[in-house]
Amino acid sequence: QSVLTQSPSASGTPGQRVTISCSGRTSNIGNNYVYWYQQLPGTAPKLLIYGNNQRPSGVPDRFSGSKSGTSASLAISGLRSEDEADYHCAAWDDGLGAWVFGGGTKLTVL
Amino acid sequence: QPQLQESGPGLVKPSETLSLTCTVSGGSISSSSYLWGWIRQPPGKGLEWVGTIFYSGATYYNPSLKSRVTISVDTPKNLFSMKLSSVTAADTAIYYCARHKSNSPSEPFDYWGQGTLVTVSS
Repeated sequence: QSVLTQSPSASGTPGQRVTISCSGRTSNIGNNYVYWYQQLPGTAPKLLIYGNNQRPSGVPDRFSGSKSGTSASLAISGLRSEDEADYHCAAWDDGLGAWVFGGGTKLTVL
Repeated sequence: QPQLQESGPGLVKPSETLSLTCTVSGGSISSSSYLWGWIRQPPGKGLEWVGTIFYSGATYYNPSLKSRVTISVDTPKNLFSMKLSSVTAADTAIYYCARHKSNSPSEPFDYWGQGTLVTVSS
């Protein structure tokens, strides 16, 4: 059982906007930055969002992150077929002194 | 940009020790600017942080695995390694090595290896 809670699946049609949520506690999301990783099928995770809402160089601005209290969200606008992947949220947990992750959300582009 | 490559046995027997190595190219593991870590992913499941090391040898471990895991660094060979003892089927996973974005363990992982599947089975 993952420390951070994500819905196991999400879906949308091309061009749509979809949102993936991640829920945690004060000790992790509440007190620290949230990060999002994109994992394309059969590949390693890739850092997609850091510092709650910052995009590394090369990540399209269709991807955006936000945080409120002990929850965070990843929004993908103008959905494309190549966005079909697993999305993982992550945060440092002060209480555990460890990285904690969500179980991942599998995004299907219909 | 750095490239990371995991290596090690793909099959380990229950109760034995799992040993993996991560070789870094395109950058020095001795840089004081970064930490290096291990993350694992059971088939079809989420990610789990295993632990992290600095070139000096300082380590940070996931409390849930701390009693069984040892991470070490070999700066002349530009690699770091992981050992997980007393493995069970629950340790079957894809194991990734990765670089932290800076020299703090609370910074995210920005470069990853391709991962290696380790199966625990007799």
